[in-house]
Amino acid sequence: EDKVVQSPLSLVVHEGDTVTLNCSYEVTNFRSLLWYKQEKKAPTFLFMLTSSGIEKKSGRLSSILDKKELFSILNITATQTGDSAVYLCAVSTGANSKLTFGKGITLSVRP
Amino acid sequence: NAGVTQTPKFQVLKTGQSMTLQCAQDMNHEYMSWYRQDPGMGLRLIHYSVGAGITDQGEVPNGYNVSRSTTEDFPLRLLSAAPSQTSVYFCASSYQGQGDEQYFGPGTRLTVT
Repeated sequence: EDKVVQSPLSLVVHEGDTVTLNCSYEVTNFRSLLWYKQEKKAPTFLFMLTSSGIEKKSGRLSSILDKKELFSILNITATQTGDSAVYLCAVSTGANSKLTFGKGITLSVRP
Repeated sequence: NAGVTQTPKFQVLKTGQSMTLQCAQDMNHEYMSWYRQDPGMGLRLIHYSVGAGITDQGEVPNGYNVSRSTTEDFPLRLLSAAPSQTSVYFCASSYQGQGDEQYFGPGTRLTVT
């Protein structure tokens, strides 16, 4: 059974802090790993990672994948209150690219 | 483009009732999926479709039916609602596969009493 584990489950930081969110996985037929942000509504896409060691970056957010150790991290620098959300990690597997989601990390950024 | 639309936004059902959650997309995406989201459980795949006429089961398919007669529409049917089906339901679509960027609908909050 495919498994995706995110840690920590929740996190409280102050504005300006840097945070690292973790995602580890045990799956068969790995295709890609995706990060989503969810703010009280539908998830929105952040990154898709398929190759080890190549950092994807968008503004203050960045992510990297390690296919040998089977994990990914999502970094957020200089956090803002607008970063408060649930961050979901998902792994795509198999010929039909089925997605398995982790339980999510709730990030709260205090002013 | 409207993207992915879902109706209704909210629904209350009594145990044993049936209903259909509607999902439509106007992006000509081949792949469509239904997820449910429960507190502390993340998103769990119910059913998915790789194209018109083709559907398959996900992680939690029991109690739900789907069909895909057109590329645009992917309705989810609850056959006989149970309190365990109280959840938020999201429909999603993507161009090449679930492993690609998925576009999510706004969700339907369903309560079964």
